[in-house]
Amino acid sequence: EDQVTQSPEALRLQEGESSSLNCSYTVSGLRGLFWYRQDPGKGPEFLFTLYSAGEEKEKERLKATLTKKESFLHITAPKPEDSATYLCAVGGGADGLTFGKGTHLIIQP
Amino acid sequence: SQTIHQWPATLVQPVGSPLSLECTVEGTSNPNLYWYRQAAGRGLQLLFYSVGIGQISSEVPQNLSASRPQDRQFILSSKKLLLSDSGFYLCAWSEGQGTPLHFGNGTRLTVT
Repeated sequence: EDQVTQSPEALRLQEGESSSLNCSYTVSGLRGLFWYRQDPGKGPEFLFTLYSAGEEKEKERLKATLTKKESFLHITAPKPEDSATYLCAVGGGADGLTFGKGTHLIIQP
Repeated sequence: SQTIHQWPATLVQPVGSPLSLECTVEGTSNPNLYWYRQAAGRGLQLLFYSVGIGQISSEVPQNLSASRPQDRQFILSSKKLLLSDSGFYLCAWSEGQGTPLHFGNGTRLTVT
């Protein structure tokens, strides 16, 4: 059974203060590691897919990296609009994704 | 481009009443379709998935059922709602294995 653990559960940063979110996973065979952003009352919005250890993806102030046991979402010089819950998931087969509980990120101006 | 529509956005129903939530996808053919439930502090829980018309797989024994009457339509139903059915219900689609899921904006269901 696939398992995903995200840390920290919540993170409060000042605007411009860079940090990283962690996603540890256990899978029988990695078909994909997915990052999502979720705003309150909305569905998750897809950010990145990583398929193999060493892979990196970037989008604006976000950069996702992958090792054999965990993934990091690095946030560089965040702005208040980056405040959201960030979800990590593994899977990619027909039976969907297994999600972590997310990291609730607050960026204070 | 592909879009996913899910309705209603919010719903308040009494215990014992029936439920029908509908989801449709546009701009793609033969998508994989999913129903998830999100409860506070518990993360996203997969309820049902479908790889084709009339093909439904259930992940969690419960008071709910799903149907896929058309290629791009996915329906979540219940004959009699329980208090424990309250939550945020999300429909999603994907192109197939190894591809990401794309979510609708969800239905907030409150059972009173």
